[in-house]
Amino acid sequence: NAGVTQTPKFRVLKTGQSMTLLCAQDMNHEYMYWYRQDPGMGLRLIHYSVGEGTTAKGEVPDGYNVSRLKKQNFLLGLESAAPSQTSVYFCASSYSLDSIRGGLKRQYFGPGTRLTVT
Amino acid sequence: KNEVEQSPQNLTAQEGEFITINCSYSVGISALHWLQQHPGGGIVSLFMLSSGKKKHGRLIATINIQEKHSSLHITASHPRDSAVYICAVKKGRGGADGLTFGKGTHLIIQP
Repeated sequence: NAGVTQTPKFRVLKTGQSMTLLCAQDMNHEYMYWYRQDPGMGLRLIHYSVGEGTTAKGEVPDGYNVSRLKKQNFLLGLESAAPSQTSVYFCASSYSLDSIRGGLKRQYFGPGTRLTVT
Repeated sequence: KNEVEQSPQNLTAQEGEFITINCSYSVGISALHWLQQHPGGGIVSLFMLSSGKKKHGRLIATINIQEKHSSLHITASHPRDSAVYICAVKKGRGGADGLTFGKGTHLIIQP
């Protein structure tokens, strides 16, 4: 299993350009997440998805859109990049919580995408 | 005030020392995670716990739900343990919304 993969690993954009980050997982996970990591801030949730065709906003969703057309893929789009979106982006996935059986499911992280907007 | 606070922010120790990293949180949670971020940037889940104590090799994680506090211990520390250790909580009960993270503890183990 490849686990969680992210494409691309690095990208430099000019202000106003658009791009899409791709996250793929081969573990049949229901839940997928996009986080951003900035110096001194810790990771913050951008958007998440509980299943194919569904998405929801996280803590810092402004300036981003997401789509989950296939269960294994979660796309993060920047329609008009801004310097404030310079960050390292991490995708993660997990099974759904199984509170009945008391199972707590860990999150698996991708390797990250380093994005610079100039 | 951040909902998840870690201490210390930075820690340098000698090989073999017993290491403790602390995490306090101010919200109700269903689970607490300890993560390790390698110098290359990759993030690995070390523990996920909702009560008591878990052990894996030289790593031990404990949580006190009443005090809203968790600790990560490393016994017989080694230079390869050098990394950023991140505490994260799953707020509330159930659901799929993501984790809330502390800012991390940067650990350096010197030979």
